[in-house]
Amino acid sequence: EIVLTQSPGTLSLSPGERATLSCRASQRVDNTHLAWYQQKPGQPPRLLIYGASSRATGIPDRFSGGGSGTDFTLTISRLEPEDFAVYYCHQDADSLTFGGGTRVEIK
Amino acid sequence: QVQLQESGPGLVKSSETLSLTCTVSGGSINSYYWHWIRQPPGKGLEWIGYIYYTGTTTYNPSLESRVSISMDTSKSQFSLNLNSVTAADTAVYYCARDPLFCNSLRCSHDYDIWGQGTMVTVSS
Repeated sequence: EIVLTQSPGTLSLSPGERATLSCRASQRVDNTHLAWYQQKPGQPPRLLIYGASSRATGIPDRFSGGGSGTDFTLTISRLEPEDFAVYYCHQDADSLTFGGGTRVEIK
Repeated sequence: QVQLQESGPGLVKSSETLSLTCTVSGGSINSYYWHWIRQPPGKGLEWIGYIYYTGTTTYNPSLESRVSISMDTSKSQFSLNLNSVTAADTAVYYCARDPLFCNSLRCSHDYDIWGQGTMVTVSS
């Protein structure tokens, strides 16, 4: 099973700032098999990015995904108020697992 | 639009079987993978398993000995059974749709539509 480690655990930023979230895999993951989800309190997760860099339907272009091998990133270019949430990376290269999450909070 | 709705008991006794159903409305259950995912209170997400509309299943190895997922296409429903539950199985349980995202070379399992989730508490 591939373990995904997300960092930082919490990111404190102001609206308009850039957010960079990290997801490190315990072994190499093909880009096809890495995705990012956003979850707000009391809601199910929402797919943001699949295939490491492809935005899901309806996702604004301020969200972008990158990386390869064992290191992947989710970047939010300019934080909007609705972007403050918890973000999870997910892989399906070997079984299916999620990272522990990064909380993006208002500074 | 397609909607998923989980249903089942909110309270299950320790050592008994947790049973949930997900009803798919507004679209076909065919040609998709259907997953169960859970989230303990205040914690992260854990994939439980999936069923393909043909009936093929795959489970999380850590839960495989206790879990089964089945489907009733005539009712547009799929179900989760988790036996021998303990307090560690207390969680919000989500069902989710997976259309299989493919590029020119490979495909991936990701979830484009989710139910709202149902809280299940295991009591002693």
